[in-house]
Amino acid sequence: QSVLTQPPSVSGAPGQRVTISCTGTSSNIGADYDVHWYQQLPGTAPKLLIYGNTDRPSGVPDRFSGSRSGTSASLAITGLQAEDEAIYYCQSYDTSLSASKVFGGGTKLTVL
Amino acid sequence: QLQLQESDPGLVKPSETLSLTCTVSGDSINSRSYYWGWIRQPPGKGLEWIASLYYSGKTYYNPSLKSRVTMSVDTSKNHFSMNLTSVTAADTAVYFCARDSLNQYFFDFWGQGTLVTVSS
Repeated sequence: QSVLTQPPSVSGAPGQRVTISCTGTSSNIGADYDVHWYQQLPGTAPKLLIYGNTDRPSGVPDRFSGSRSGTSASLAITGLQAEDEAIYYCQSYDTSLSASKVFGGGTKLTVL
Repeated sequence: QLQLQESDPGLVKPSETLSLTCTVSGDSINSRSYYWGWIRQPPGKGLEWIASLYYSGKTYYNPSLKSRVTMSVDTSKNHFSMNLTSVTAADTAVYFCARDSLNQYFFDFWGQGTLVTVSS
């Protein structure tokens, strides 16, 4: 069971907007640690999509955006495209027991 | 362009030690701005951070794996390594090396990953 909780799957039609939630606790997101998001296409390594809750690395389209509030964070994808079909992971830092970088369980995005 | 390449140990027997090396090109592993880390992904499952290391040799480990993991760095070869002892089938996974953003806690560049299977 992952420290950060994500829905197993979401779906949307091309052109639509979808959001993926990431729920943490007072020892990670709620402790003001940043949330980061990764996109993993089938058979490839994860790719950094959002860092520091809201920032996009160079080359990531502005269709992808992130937010954080309280003990949760969200990834929003607008203008959904077929190429967005992938697994998305959130990641943060956790201070319970001992310091550790933690991931969510991943959310499979299906473009209908 | 930064590139990271994991070695390919392939098959490891139960109870033995898994050894991996990540060779970095396009950046110096001596960078004071980054750590260098390992993450793994069991087949069909999610990501798990294993450990990270600074060029000076300072390391920090996932508490759940700390007793079995050791990381090291060879700055002359611009590579870093990891040993995982007493492996079991549960350690079967794709192992990724990645650049770790130091105090910001994210991984901005990843290697392609290498599948390590633990089996007799």
